[in-house]
Amino acid sequence: DGGITQSPKYLFRKEGQNVTLSCEQNLNHDAMYWYRQDPGQGLRLIYYSQIVNDFQKGDIAEGYSVSREKKESFPLTVTSAQKNPTAFYLCASSPGQGAYDYGYTFGSGTRLTVV
Amino acid sequence: SQQGEEDPQALSIQEGENATMNCSYKTSINNLQWYRQNSGRGLVHLILIRSNEREKHSGRLRVTLDTSKKSSSLLITASRAADTASYFCAPGGGADGLTFGKGTHLIIQP
Repeated sequence: DGGITQSPKYLFRKEGQNVTLSCEQNLNHDAMYWYRQDPGQGLRLIYYSQIVNDFQKGDIAEGYSVSREKKESFPLTVTSAQKNPTAFYLCASSPGQGAYDYGYTFGSGTRLTVV
Repeated sequence: SQQGEEDPQALSIQEGENATMNCSYKTSINNLQWYRQNSGRGLVHLILIRSNEREKHSGRLRVTLDTSKKSSSLLITASRAADTASYFCAPGGGADGLTFGKGTHLIIQP
C-alpha cells in the first residue's frame, strides 16, 4: 500500500544533541512538508520541498534542517539550536502544489521529548 | 499560505445528531481543504472544494464555500462515536505549504 512512513514513533533527545526524524513516501509525490504540533495547537510549517534538491523555510525553520536528496525521502534534523523541541512532528506529501493544490497525505507522526 | 480559523473550538453532541463547524479566512483562495485528526495521529484529508464550487458532498460530509464571506462550513450528518476527532480547515492555493489553525475538537457522546 502507498503511504508515508515516519520513524521512529517516539524519540527522546538529550540536551545539546542533534536528532534526525525520518520521513519516507512511496506515493511518487513531488512535494513534501514538515510540521510541528504542540498540545492543543494547530500545525506550524517548518520546511517544505517541491522538488528534489530544493527546499524552502516555513514559518518556524530556526533550529531545524532538512535535505531532499531523493524524491522519496525528506529527513528532518532537530539541532541543538532548537531550544524547545518537545513536540509532535508530522510529515506530509502531495502530488504538487500551486494554483491547483492537492490534498496532503500525512504520516503517523514522531513524538519527540527532551530528557 | 494563510491560516483558517475554525469555530467553535470545541463541540460536543449526541451520537446520531449532525455536527456543523465553520472556517473563516482572510484573503482570496483557489481552494479550501478539510482534514480530520484522531488523537495522537496524523491528519487525514477529507475533502477539497475549489473556489468555483459552492457545495461538495462525500458520504456523510457536506462542505460549503462562500467566497464572498470568506467562509466555509463542514457538516457531518448522523454522527458516530468514530467521528470524535479534531477537524482542521486549510485555505489553499498559495505557493508555499498549507497552514493549519487550532481546529474544532468534536466529541460524540454515546
